Amino acid sequence: DAKTTQPTSMDCAEGRAANLPCNHSTISGNEYVYWYRQIHSQGPQYIIHGLKNNETNEMASLIITEDRKSSTLILPHATLRDTAVYYCIVSAYTGANSKLTFGKGITLSVRP
Amino acid sequence: DTEVTQTPKHLVMGMTNKKSLKCEQHMGHRAMYWYKQKAKKPPELMFVYSYEKLSINESVPSRFSPECPNSSLLNLHLHALQPEDSALYLCASSQAGAPDTQYFGPGTRLTVL
Repeated sequence: DAKTTQPTSMDCAEGRAANLPCNHSTISGNEYVYWYRQIHSQGPQYIIHGLKNNETNEMASLIITEDRKSSTLILPHATLRDTAVYYCIVSAYTGANSKLTFGKGITLSVRP
Repeated sequence: DTEVTQTPKHLVMGMTNKKSLKCEQHMGHRAMYWYKQKAKKPPELMFVYSYEKLSINESVPSRFSPECPNSSLLNLHLHALQPEDSALYLCASSQAGAPDTQYFGPGTRLTVL
């Protein structure tokens, strides 16, 4: 079973920030928080990851609470092309590989 | 470059056919993965290869046979599939070092008649 819980869906207006929440209350100390998105029928696209600190890259920002039990992915200026299913996943490197267990994700709809 | 390529993009096969899916990466990654995604469901892990050795098999039926000929290439051999095996098959790779970010290919859409 997935170790994260996300709302089923949300929408936002184009040009506005999209804040996607994720709960991971049972996260272990060595587990990273990863965010991927999947646009219809394409392969999942890596967005960002973090361990303890907040992270930002050209696509998004990741805010992780101090207790690491939840996080928020922020798309600062959503566009129509950001409409997708977004997956929040926690995973640890085992020494040889990592194992991603996808939950149902959150469907983000960006409206014009 | 974070590209993983998969061929073919689409595949239609009968239940008695033998076919193969191919995945390639040139990022120097040492872990490669096969996932299966049914319609409107999240991807599910099938196999993991680490340093060219099979490290995880998620109880996948033997009609699916993975192969890792070298560190850049991953195959999935298909034989005697069932219509319920129709799905999007996704390949991913990772560096095999923390953090172990996986990068996915575009997938092969498989239809079994």
